[in-house]
Amino acid sequence: DQQVKQNSPSLSVQEGRISILNCDYTNSMFDYFLWYKKYPAEGPTFLISISSIKDKNEDGRFTVFLNKSAKHLSLHIVPSQPGDSAVYFCAASANTGTASKLTFGTGTRLQVTL
Amino acid sequence: DVKVTQSSRYLVKRTGEKVFLECVQDMDHENMFWYRQDPGLGLRLIYFSYDVKMKEKGDIPEGYSVSREKKERFSLILESASTNQTSMYLCASGRNMNTEAFFGQGTRLTVV
Repeated sequence: DQQVKQNSPSLSVQEGRISILNCDYTNSMFDYFLWYKKYPAEGPTFLISISSIKDKNEDGRFTVFLNKSAKHLSLHIVPSQPGDSAVYFCAASANTGTASKLTFGTGTRLQVTL
Repeated sequence: DVKVTQSSRYLVKRTGEKVFLECVQDMDHENMFWYRQDPGLGLRLIYFSYDVKMKEKGDIPEGYSVSREKKERFSLILESASTNQTSMYLCASGRNMNTEAFFGQGTRLTVV
Protein backbone atom coordinates (compact mmCIF):
# COMPACT_ATOMS: atom_id res chain seq x y z
CA ASP A 1 0.00 0.00 0.00
CA GLN A 2 1.93 2.97 -1.35
CA GLN A 3 0.66 5.99 0.55
CA VAL A 4 3.01 8.42 -1.21
CA LYS A 5 3.34 8.05 -4.96
CA GLN A 6 5.66 9.55 -7.49
CA ASN A 7 4.30 8.28 -10.77
CA SER A 8 7.10 9.56 -12.98
CA PRO A 9 10.28 7.53 -12.47
CA SER A 10 12.29 9.95 -14.57
CA LEU A 11 12.19 13.43 -16.07
CA SER A 12 14.51 15.17 -18.50
CA VAL A 13 14.61 18.97 -18.69
CA GLN A 14 16.79 21.40 -20.56
CA GLU A 15 19.05 23.71 -18.57
CA GLY A 16 17.33 27.01 -17.82
CA ARG A 17 13.82 25.58 -18.14
CA ILE A 18 11.38 24.72 -15.36
CA SER A 19 11.43 21.26 -13.77
CA ILE A 20 8.15 20.09 -12.25
CA LEU A 21 8.18 17.01 -10.07
CA ASN A 22 4.88 15.60 -8.88
CA CYS A 23 3.78 13.62 -5.85
CA ASP A 24 0.40 12.23 -4.79
CA TYR A 25 -0.66 10.91 -1.43
CA THR A 26 -3.59 8.90 -0.16
CA ASN A 27 -3.54 9.32 3.62
CA SER A 28 -5.69 12.30 4.59
CA MET A 29 -3.94 12.42 7.97
CA PHE A 30 -0.72 13.66 6.36
CA ASP A 31 -0.15 17.30 7.23
CA TYR A 32 3.55 17.88 6.61
CA PHE A 33 5.38 17.33 3.35
CA LEU A 34 9.02 17.39 2.41
CA TRP A 35 11.24 17.06 -0.63
CA TYR A 36 14.65 15.45 -0.52
CA LYS A 37 17.36 15.35 -3.16
CA LYS A 38 19.71 12.40 -3.51
CA TYR A 39 22.91 12.06 -5.50
CA PRO A 40 24.31 8.58 -6.25
CA ALA A 41 26.29 7.04 -3.39
CA GLU A 42 25.17 9.79 -1.00
CA GLY A 43 22.41 10.09 1.54
CA PRO A 44 19.32 12.20 0.79
CA THR A 45 19.53 15.87 1.71
CA PHE A 46 16.55 17.93 2.78
CA LEU A 47 15.42 20.47 0.22
CA ILE A 48 12.17 22.13 1.20
CA SER A 49 9.02 21.44 3.20
CA ILE A 50 5.45 22.64 3.51
CA SER A 51 2.83 22.40 6.19
CA SER A 52 -0.79 21.71 5.31
CA ILE A 53 -1.79 25.16 6.53
CA LYS A 54 -0.03 26.61 3.50
CA ASP A 55 -0.42 26.01 -0.21
CA LYS A 56 2.96 27.31 -1.32
CA ASN A 57 6.46 27.59 0.05
CA GLU A 58 9.39 29.12 -1.78
CA ASP A 59 13.13 28.93 -1.21
CA GLY A 60 15.27 30.43 -3.93
CA ARG A 61 14.86 28.43 -7.12
CA PHE A 62 12.68 25.84 -5.37
CA THR A 63 8.94 26.16 -4.79
CA VAL A 64 6.63 23.53 -3.40
CA PHE A 65 2.90 23.70 -4.08
CA LEU A 66 0.31 21.79 -2.08
CA ASN A 67 -3.21 21.02 -3.26
CA LYS A 68 -4.91 19.39 -0.30
CA SER A 69 -8.20 18.71 -2.00
CA ALA A 70 -6.40 16.79 -4.74
CA LYS A 71 -3.89 15.27 -2.30
CA HIS A 72 -1.16 16.43 -4.61
CA LEU A 73 2.09 18.32 -4.22
CA SER A 74 4.65 19.46 -6.72
CA LEU A 75 8.19 20.79 -6.65
CA HIS A 76 9.13 23.47 -9.17
CA ILE A 77 12.76 24.21 -9.93
CA VAL A 78 13.35 27.41 -11.88
CA PRO A 79 15.71 27.75 -13.63
CA SER A 80 16.96 24.18 -13.76
CA GLN A 81 20.72 23.69 -13.58
CA PRO A 82 22.89 20.66 -14.40
CA GLY A 83 23.72 20.30 -10.68
CA ASP A 84 20.03 19.66 -10.04
CA SER A 85 20.38 16.26 -11.75
CA ALA A 86 19.57 13.82 -8.95
CA VAL A 87 16.80 11.61 -7.60
CA TYR A 88 14.07 13.55 -5.81
CA PHE A 89 11.96 11.97 -3.10
CA CYS A 90 8.82 13.42 -1.64
CA ALA A 91 7.87 12.46 1.88
CA ALA A 92 4.83 13.00 4.09
CA SER A 93 3.95 12.67 7.73
CA ALA A 94 1.13 13.25 10.18
CA ASN A 95 1.24 15.04 13.50
CA THR A 96 0.10 12.04 15.49
CA GLY A 97 -0.74 8.39 15.22
CA THR A 98 0.77 5.63 13.15
CA ALA A 99 1.51 8.00 10.27
CA SER A 100 3.64 10.26 12.43
CA LYS A 101 6.89 9.18 10.82
CA LEU A 102 8.11 10.08 7.37
CA THR A 103 6.70 8.03 4.52
CA PHE A 104 8.66 8.36 1.29
CA GLY A 105 7.68 8.07 -2.33
CA THR A 106 9.57 5.96 -4.85
CA GLY A 107 11.56 8.86 -6.29
CA THR A 108 11.87 10.69 -9.60
CA ARG A 109 15.21 10.86 -11.38
CA LEU A 110 15.70 14.34 -12.83
CA GLN A 111 18.22 14.89 -15.57
CA VAL A 112 19.01 18.44 -16.58
CA THR A 113 20.58 18.55 -20.00
CA LEU A 114 22.77 21.25 -21.51
CA ASP B 1 27.20 21.47 10.61
CA VAL B 2 24.93 18.55 11.40
CA LYS B 3 26.35 15.12 10.93
CA VAL B 4 25.12 11.55 10.67
CA THR B 5 27.94 9.11 10.10
CA GLN B 6 27.61 5.51 8.97
CA SER B 7 30.55 3.27 9.71
CA SER B 8 31.01 1.82 6.23
CA ARG B 9 30.33 3.06 2.70
CA TYR B 10 30.57 -0.39 1.12
CA LEU B 11 30.28 -3.88 2.61
CA VAL B 12 30.37 -7.34 1.09
CA LYS B 13 29.15 -10.18 3.28
CA ARG B 14 28.40 -13.85 2.81
CA THR B 15 24.98 -15.43 3.13
CA GLY B 16 24.32 -16.44 6.73
CA GLU B 17 26.77 -13.97 8.28
CA LYS B 18 25.71 -11.69 11.09
CA VAL B 19 26.10 -8.10 9.92
CA PHE B 20 26.30 -4.92 11.98
CA LEU B 21 25.68 -1.49 10.47
CA GLU B 22 26.60 1.36 12.78
CA CYS B 23 25.32 4.92 12.77
CA VAL B 24 26.32 7.87 14.92
CA GLN B 25 24.77 11.34 15.05
CA ASP B 26 26.16 14.44 16.72
CA MET B 27 22.98 16.53 16.87
CA ASP B 28 21.58 15.23 20.16
CA HIS B 29 18.46 14.05 18.33
CA GLU B 30 15.97 11.85 20.14
CA ASN B 31 14.84 10.02 17.03
CA MET B 32 16.88 7.75 14.78
CA PHE B 33 15.84 5.69 11.79
CA TRP B 34 17.08 2.96 9.48
CA TYR B 35 15.85 2.85 5.89
CA ARG B 36 16.75 0.79 2.88
CA GLN B 37 16.62 2.12 -0.65
CA ASP B 38 15.91 -0.14 -3.59
CA PRO B 39 15.25 0.80 -7.24
CA GLY B 40 11.58 1.43 -7.87
CA LEU B 41 10.70 1.06 -4.19
CA GLY B 42 12.04 4.31 -2.74
CA LEU B 43 13.04 4.54 0.90
CA ARG B 44 11.41 2.01 3.16
CA LEU B 45 11.56 2.25 6.95
CA ILE B 46 13.05 -0.79 8.68
CA TYR B 47 13.17 0.30 12.33
CA PHE B 48 13.18 3.50 14.30
CA SER B 49 13.97 4.60 17.83
CA TYR B 50 12.55 7.54 19.75
CA ASP B 51 14.76 7.20 22.82
CA VAL B 52 17.63 5.20 24.24
CA LYS B 53 16.76 1.50 24.47
CA MET B 54 13.42 2.17 22.76
CA LYS B 55 12.71 0.77 19.33
CA GLU B 56 9.75 0.34 17.04
CA LYS B 57 9.26 -1.72 13.91
CA GLY B 58 8.93 0.14 10.66
CA ASP B 59 7.36 -1.15 7.48
CA ILE B 60 9.84 -3.94 6.67
CA PRO B 61 11.45 -5.21 9.91
CA GLU B 62 11.66 -8.90 9.01
CA GLY B 63 15.23 -10.21 9.11
CA TYR B 64 16.53 -7.18 11.01
CA SER B 65 16.99 -6.05 14.58
CA VAL B 66 18.33 -2.85 16.10
CA SER B 67 20.14 -1.62 19.17
CA ARG B 68 20.21 1.81 20.76
CA GLU B 69 22.32 1.73 23.91
CA LYS B 70 23.40 5.37 23.65
CA LYS B 71 21.51 8.39 22.36
CA GLU B 72 23.98 9.12 19.59
CA ARG B 73 24.32 5.56 18.26
CA PHE B 74 21.82 3.36 16.44
CA SER B 75 22.87 -0.02 15.10
CA LEU B 76 21.14 -2.19 12.52
CA ILE B 77 21.74 -5.91 12.77
CA LEU B 78 21.15 -8.52 10.10
CA GLU B 79 20.98 -11.70 12.13
CA SER B 80 21.64 -14.00 9.16
CA ALA B 81 22.30 -12.09 5.97
CA SER B 82 20.48 -13.18 2.83
CA THR B 83 20.90 -12.12 -0.79
CA ASN B 84 17.58 -10.25 -0.75
CA GLN B 85 19.09 -7.94 1.83
CA THR B 86 21.52 -6.59 -0.75
CA SER B 87 20.62 -2.90 -0.74
CA MET B 88 21.58 0.67 0.12
CA TYR B 89 21.05 1.23 3.85
CA LEU B 90 20.45 4.74 5.11
CA CYS B 91 20.51 5.94 8.69
CA ALA B 92 18.80 9.18 9.70
CA SER B 93 18.16 11.20 12.81
CA GLY B 94 15.66 13.92 13.64
CA ARG B 95 14.50 16.16 16.45
CA ASN B 96 10.93 15.11 15.84
CA MET B 97 9.48 11.92 14.49
CA ASN B 98 7.51 13.62 11.74
CA THR B 99 9.65 16.49 10.47
CA GLU B 100 12.99 16.96 8.78
CA ALA B 101 15.39 14.04 9.14
CA PHE B 102 19.12 14.19 8.45
CA PHE B 103 20.65 11.27 6.61
CA GLY B 104 24.02 9.62 6.65
CA GLN B 105 25.94 8.90 3.47
CA GLY B 106 24.58 5.37 3.18
CA THR B 107 26.06 1.88 3.25
CA ARG B 108 25.94 -0.20 0.08
CA LEU B 109 25.64 -3.78 1.33
CA THR B 110 26.11 -6.71 -1.00
CA VAL B 111 25.31 -10.21 0.26
CA VAL B 112 26.85 -12.98 -1.83
